[in-house]
Amino acid sequence: KQEVTQIPAALSVPEGENLVLNCSFTDSAIYNLQWFRQDPGKGLTSLLLIQSSQREQTSGRLNASLDKSSGRSTLYIAASQPGDSATYLCAASWNTGNQFYFGTGTSLTVIP
Amino acid sequence: EADIYQTPRYLVIGTGKKITLECSQTMGHDKMYWYQQDPGMELHLIHYSYGVNSTEKGDLSSESTVSRIRTEHFPLTLESARPSHTSQYLCASSERAGTDTQYFGPGTRLTVL
Repeated sequence: KQEVTQIPAALSVPEGENLVLNCSFTDSAIYNLQWFRQDPGKGLTSLLLIQSSQREQTSGRLNASLDKSSGRSTLYIAASQPGDSATYLCAASWNTGNQFYFGTGTSLTVIP
Repeated sequence: EADIYQTPRYLVIGTGKKITLECSQTMGHDKMYWYQQDPGMELHLIHYSYGVNSTEKGDLSSESTVSRIRTEHFPLTLESARPSHTSQYLCASSERAGTDTQYFGPGTRLTVL
């Protein structure tokens, strides 16, 4: 059974700090992996999508990497801001991308 | 910004009622999805669709049903709501080919008394 795990469940950092969020998955034959942001009471916003043939993707202060052999992906956030406070979810798919499996998320708080 | 809408945003109903949660997208996406999310838990796929007249069940067993008569519309129906159906329901869509970036609606928070 494919599973996606995110540790830690919660993280607090002071403003300006660089941070890394972790995502691990059980099957290295991944098709793609997506990182999302979820604000309280709202839907998910897609941040980055990494295809299985890619090693990383970048968008602004965000950088996501994918290491299939070790079953891990990381989301790097540079120079964190209070507006980055949210829950970050990763989701992986193992077939043609029709079904994503989600982790439980990491709740990030950036303290001003 | 993605154009995917869900109504109602919040719904409180009594046991036994029939309800339909609406989801619409204006991006012309073929793939659409329904997820269920309980507080602090991961999202679970309950239904998805490849296109018009195509629907499939996800991993999580659900008593709900869906239909896809039009590309832009993917409603979810509960024939007889129960307290165990209390949850957040999230709708998403993505392009058929190429990227599989999923765009999510704001969700419907359902409470069954």
